[in-house]
Formats: sequence, C-alpha cells, structure tokens
Amino acid sequence: ETGVTQTPRHLVMGMTNKKSLKCEQHLGHNAMYWYKQSAKKPLELMFVYNFKEQTENNSVPSRFSPECPNSSHLFLHLHTLQPEDSALYLCASESGAGSYNEQFFGPGTRLTVL
Amino acid sequence: KNEVEQSPQNLTAQEGEFITINCSYSVGISALHWLQQHPGGGIVSLFMLSSGKKKHGRLIATINIQEKHSSLHITASHPRDSAVYICAVRMSGNQFYFGTGTSLTVIP
Repeated sequence: ETGVTQTPRHLVMGMTNKKSLKCEQHLGHNAMYWYKQSAKKPLELMFVYNFKEQTENNSVPSRFSPECPNSSHLFLHLHTLQPEDSALYLCASESGAGSYNEQFFGPGTRLTVL
Repeated sequence: KNEVEQSPQNLTAQEGEFITINCSYSVGISALHWLQQHPGGGIVSLFMLSSGKKKHGRLIATINIQEKHSSLHITASHPRDSAVYICAVRMSGNQFYFGTGTSLTVIP
C-alpha cells in the first residue's frame, strides 16, 4: 500500500466511449504523474502536474487529456481511443519539485479498448 | 535505441542465490531509480541513487556516474523476490527514461 489509489482497476471500453481514470493521494505530495505501460515496452511518461504546472510528453495523442483539480486528485480523460491504447495506466505522486524525490505509484488501471 | 538498457531481460535463479541486475544509460542524469513491479502491476520504489551505494535489507544498489552504470544486487534470493525490476533515470526537471525491465523468477 503506497498511499496512491487508482480507480477503476480494470476498464473495458469501445472506441467511441468517453471514460475517465482517477488517481488520488493523501500523502501531501505536490507532483503527480500519468504513465502508460504497454506490453514489452518501457514505461512512458504521459503527463506531469508539478505545483499545478502541467508538462506533457509531446508524443501523447490528444485523445488523452489530463485534469488536476487539486494537489490530491488527478484524472485522465479518454475519448475515441484506439485498440493500441490498451495498456496499464499508472499514476504516481512525488513530494515536491526537486530532482531527488522518490515516486509513489498507484496499482494501475488495466485498460482494454475494443 | 532506448536511453536506458537493462540486462539480463529475463533471469531465473535458485532460492538463496546472489543476483545481479545491470542498468546502463546514455544521458546525463540527476538521479537513478530502481523499481519493483509485481504481477498485477503495482510498482514500488526500491532505491533512488545519485552516487555511491545504498543498502536496504537484502537489496543493494550501486551507481557509477562516470561509467553511466548501475547495478541492483539481491543477496540470499527468495521466491517472493520474483518480480520485474525496472531501472529509471531522471534528467533535470520532470524528464524520465525507463528500461524495459528485468523479469526475475526465483525457484524454491
């Protein structure tokens, strides 16, 4: 138990659906991350919110959009996804803006796009 | 080519064996992380290193900044150590690169 929770744990959706993934932490951290983990590939950083400032990986398609309403909650909104978007989506939080902080990961949401 | 390379990709060991997993990287970094991922997906941070060596229980992590290389050692391995071990490097700011992971199976 890392203190970072994600819901839902599993999600199956069609290509025309709209869904959202949720991440929550009450560790007092100020930075939160979305990662994508596809089979046989390295973890891919998608988005970062650090003190409410968003950084994104430019290779992430616009069908993924993050939202960070406060420092404890992070959402990933999904719309018109493709089957290749099926993956494990991991959320992580970190205590601050420095380069020497440990990340705490959530259990992930296993997404399947039909 | 991935900025972070791990070896081996897969490793099977007998219980009690000493295990070494290697990580080489090609970019300048501010810190290196070793992560453990169990079946089901959850990831736990094991170590964060910027120099030298760290030890936690049966786990030891070392880093050589000049050679751009890190190793994760497990002493007296146990079946519960079976997991995927991921090396991640952090550049300045929020930029991370991850290795593809080393899948470890420890047989009783």
